[in-house]
Order: sequence, then structure tokens, then C-alpha cells
Amino acid sequence: DIQMTQSPPTLSASVGDRVTITCRASQSISTWLAWYQQKPGKAPKVLIYDASSLQSGVPSRFSGSGSGTEFTLTISSLQPDDFATYYCQQYNSYSWTFGQGTKVEIK
Amino acid sequence: EVQLLESGGNLVQPGGSLRLSCAASGFTFSSYPMSWVRQAPGKGLEWVSDISESGGGTHYTDSVKGRFTISRDNFKNTLYLQMSSLRADDTAVYYCAIPSPGGYLDYWGQGTLVTVSS
Repeated sequence: DIQMTQSPPTLSASVGDRVTITCRASQSISTWLAWYQQKPGKAPKVLIYDASSLQSGVPSRFSGSGSGTEFTLTISSLQPDDFATYYCQQYNSYSWTFGQGTKVEIK
Repeated sequence: EVQLLESGGNLVQPGGSLRLSCAASGFTFSSYPMSWVRQAPGKGLEWVSDISESGGGTHYTDSVKGRFTISRDNFKNTLYLQMSSLRADDTAVYYCAIPSPGGYLDYWGQGTLVTVSS
């Protein structure tokens, strides 16, 4: 299986900060990568798919980049609603796998 | 509006069995593959299984192969996960989800909690 490694596990930031989360794949996955946001007690919500495509309805402050084995999720100006846990997921090959998550906390 | 409503979660003893259901509405169920994803308490997400539109094709993560069976009833618009030989590490919230044609998970249910404990 392809292993997905996210960093950092936890990130403390303030409203208005630019935030970057990294996801590395154990082998090339082209651009078959999605990013999800999950809030406590809720189901995940897809933000970015195909590494850099913004899901409909997601604010433009979210962006994704990368290909091959290294990917980033960037929040250009952190808003109060963005404090949550973020996961990457590869869908290049079965078994689909997720990163372990990055919790974005209030500084 | 797409709706996915999971049910069937419960407390079950190790070695026991349980069947989860996911009732779908708001879209043409028979035209979409479906997936199960789980999340152990306080842990990350783990893809479990998926099934093709017709039910003829299935995939499983290694840890559930031979123990879990995914199925669907396109007349009842319902997805199932039959779980047997349950272990403590199967304890999780189980979500059903609709994968996009590419494979990312587009829509999610609210989840149902399975607890495996004596």
C-alpha cells in the first residue's frame, strides 16, 4: 500500500496567518490526491481534488499544489471557521490511503 | 439533495457480527460506486471497502479481507457492510461515502459507531 505522511501533526496559528500543510507519498501518485477538512463529530468534507482543483463551494483561500510524491495544502489567510483537522488521501491505487492528519489549532 | 444515512452500529462482543446499512437518497444510487470509510476514536481516517455500481466489483483493505463483505441493493437504494469475526481494533465510526469517478470521496454520511468490547 502507498503510505501517506503528513506534517506537521499539529499546527498552532492565528487568524489571518498563512498556513501550509505537507503530504508526502511513499511512491508517485501523479496528481491523484485530495484534501479534506474535518471538524469534531462531523464527517470529512473534500476541499481539493486532483491535487489542485478546488471543490465547488470551497473558499478560494484554500489551494493545493504538487505532483508525484510531494503535495501541499495552503490556507492563504486563516479564518475562525478553518480551525479543524486536515487529511490528505491518495486515490492513485488501492488501497486508498489517508495521511494521519494535521490539527490546526488556535495560537 | 444527496443524503446518506448510516445505521446498524452497536456494541458487539469480540468475535461477533454486525451488519451496517447506508440508506441513500437524492441521487441515482444505481449509477454510483459506493465506499465505506472508518475512523477509530481519536484517530485518523481509514478506507475500508468499495463496490461498483452493479455490485459486481469490490475492493477491501487488507485488515478486513475475509471478515467484511460489502454489498448493495439498487432497488432499495441501500449499501451494506456485513462484518464478522469482529476485533477490538474494528471499533470506529463507520461512514458511507460516494467516490467521484476519480476516487476522492465526494459525499459522506454522518457515520454510525461500532464498538467491539466484552
